[in-house]
Amino acid sequence: DIQMTQSPSSVSASVGDRVTITCRASQSISRYLNWYQQKPGKAPNLLIYAASSLQSGVPSRFSGSGSGTDFTLTISSLQPEDFATYYCQHSYSTLYSFGQGTKLEIK
Amino acid sequence: EVQLVESGGGLVQPGGSLRLSCGASGFTFSDYWMSWVRQAPGKGLEWVANVKQDESEKYYVDSVKGRFTISRDNAKNSLYLQMNSLRAEDTAIYYCARDRSYSGTWCFDLWGQGTLVTVSS
Repeated sequence: DIQMTQSPSSVSASVGDRVTITCRASQSISRYLNWYQQKPGKAPNLLIYAASSLQSGVPSRFSGSGSGTDFTLTISSLQPEDFATYYCQHSYSTLYSFGQGTKLEIK
Repeated sequence: EVQLVESGGGLVQPGGSLRLSCGASGFTFSDYWMSWVRQAPGKGLEWVANVKQDESEKYYVDSVKGRFTISRDNAKNSLYLQMNSLRAEDTAIYYCARDRSYSGTWCFDLWGQGTLVTVSS
């Protein structure tokens, strides 16, 4: 099974900051990598698919990059509504899995 | 409105059974693979199972194989998860999610609000 590891587990930042979250796969997954945002008490929301494609309706301050085993999610200028938990997810095999999550907190 | 609505959660004793349902509306349910994803209290997301449009393919995470069964009824626009031999570690919010293929990758582009399953004596 493919394991997904995110870093950091949590990060503190201020409004306007640039933040990068990393996701590493235990084997190459090409670009079969997606990113989700989850706010407390809510279902996750798809942000990025296929490593770098922005889901419709998602602000352009969110971007994704990477291929193979290493991927990043970048938020270019943090807004108050961006403080949430972020998850990566692979779909390289039929048994999907998520990273453990990165909690983005207000500094 | 395009939406998924889960139901059927509740408190069940270890070893017991529960059947979750997910009703779909606002889109052609029979066109999509569908998944269940769960989240234990205060923990991360875990994909549980998915099912192809015609039920010809079903996949499960190892921890639920042999205990959980995913199914669907396209005529009723409904997805189900039959959970047997429940354990304390199955306690979680269970989300129904729509699988979507974009640029070759499969992702979850529509989620329900979740239903809480608590396994405890």
